Amino acid sequence: RKEVEQDPGPFNVPEGATVAFNCTYSNSASQSFFWYRQDCRKEPKLLMSVYSSGNEDGRFTAQLNRASQYISLLIRDSKLSDSATYLCAPKGSTLGRLYFGRGTQLTVWP
Amino acid sequence: NAGVTQTPKFQVLKTGQSMTLQCAQDMNHNSMYWYRQDPGMGLRLIYYSASEGTTDKGEVPNGYNVSRLNKREFSLRLESAAPSQTSVYFCASTLRGPETQYFGPGTRLLVL
Repeated sequence: RKEVEQDPGPFNVPEGATVAFNCTYSNSASQSFFWYRQDCRKEPKLLMSVYSSGNEDGRFTAQLNRASQYISLLIRDSKLSDSATYLCAPKGSTLGRLYFGRGTQLTVWP
Repeated sequence: NAGVTQTPKFQVLKTGQSMTLQCAQDMNHNSMYWYRQDPGMGLRLIYYSASEGTTDKGEVPNGYNVSRLNKREFSLRLESAAPSQTSVYFCASTLRGPETQYFGPGTRLLVL
């Protein structure tokens, strides 16, 4: 079983829509989780960290379900600028590394 | 601060050639990482260095070597390039632990 699994999408939504992505992880010992955003042909950049049940930052909400071993990212009131690939990354039990998912592609259209 | 810098930005190699990808960070970070990213495969860890003087293998270390030259610099060497190593290579660093990783702009490598 892969360490991290994400629906690759693509998700195509209109401006103003609410969209949610899920990410499942296999290591039940993972304690912290991260969402990174990657624009086309650019490097990944940290979007949000999740250490407990969830985190909210403006239009973005990340939620953690430890029992089912998944984290979700909810984007409200989507903007054109939200178009990107979103990478899920749980911290592994081995010190010093994250495990990145393959990413979910989002396109927001006008 | 420049953050994380990588050189070169692009490189074309022939099979069997060698090269070194350079990475430097000016944030006084302790940990540094090398990833490769292929279409549909996501980011895969090649090697990482938790602190100056230490290096550890990641998921896909075969065909690569690394050197943590000092706290700032972490280089990745391909001794004999193969077409399977065609990829985009990202270097990243963190102050401590793996959480908030700052990535460099990447090196696009094509091996013919």
